[in-house]
Amino acid sequence: DAGVIQSPRHEVTEMGQEVTLRCKPISGHNSLFWYRQTMMRGLELLIYFNNNVPIDDSGMPEDRFSAKMPNASFSTLKIQPSEPRDSAVYFCASSSMRETGELFFGEGSRLTVL
Amino acid sequence: DAKTTQPTSMDCAEGRAANLPCNHSTISGNEYVYWYRQIHSQGPQYIIHGLKNNETNEMASLIITEDRKSSTLILPHATLRDTAVYYCIVNSYGQNFVFGPGTRLSVLP
Repeated sequence: DAGVIQSPRHEVTEMGQEVTLRCKPISGHNSLFWYRQTMMRGLELLIYFNNNVPIDDSGMPEDRFSAKMPNASFSTLKIQPSEPRDSAVYFCASSSMRETGELFFGEGSRLTVL
Repeated sequence: DAKTTQPTSMDCAEGRAANLPCNHSTISGNEYVYWYRQIHSQGPQYIIHGLKNNETNEMASLIITEDRKSSTLILPHATLRDTAVYYCIVNSYGQNFVFGPGTRLSVLP
């Protein structure tokens, strides 16, 4: 099993640019989560999907952030326009809620907005 | 909001058992106790979870008190590679996982 795959692993961009982070969950998992981690705020849940449907997006910081899951094997997190305070590591995780419910995390995408 | 309380940091000598406590006094009947750890800047890694009985796997043991208001994660023979932040989370199946600040465990040679 390849695990949760995230891309890009590192992204450096300038303020105002659009950023798209991608995630491929583990095959067969029906839940997908996007987290953001910073030194100041720790690990924060941004949004999660069950069966490709967004269930809770209350953690999305503002309208500049959007997430989609067009099918069971792919999700994107988009920031438009990006700001320096968006600099963080963004983690994607997937889970099969029908089983034990534990999350499997990707290696993260480190975003730096200059 | 995180429903657990953990010490900010702990030290443990290499080769000794590391006992990491967690308080979850408001846990409800259908909530499990999960433990994760995060090594440096990697993604968090699942360790173990339980409902009311003690659990053991190849990584650790989980001891849950009878009233379920607290638990202890035990790493029986800590190694330097166990240095990480350890998160205790209470959660029901199908709900989102909320991570608190966790416990920073330093395993010392």
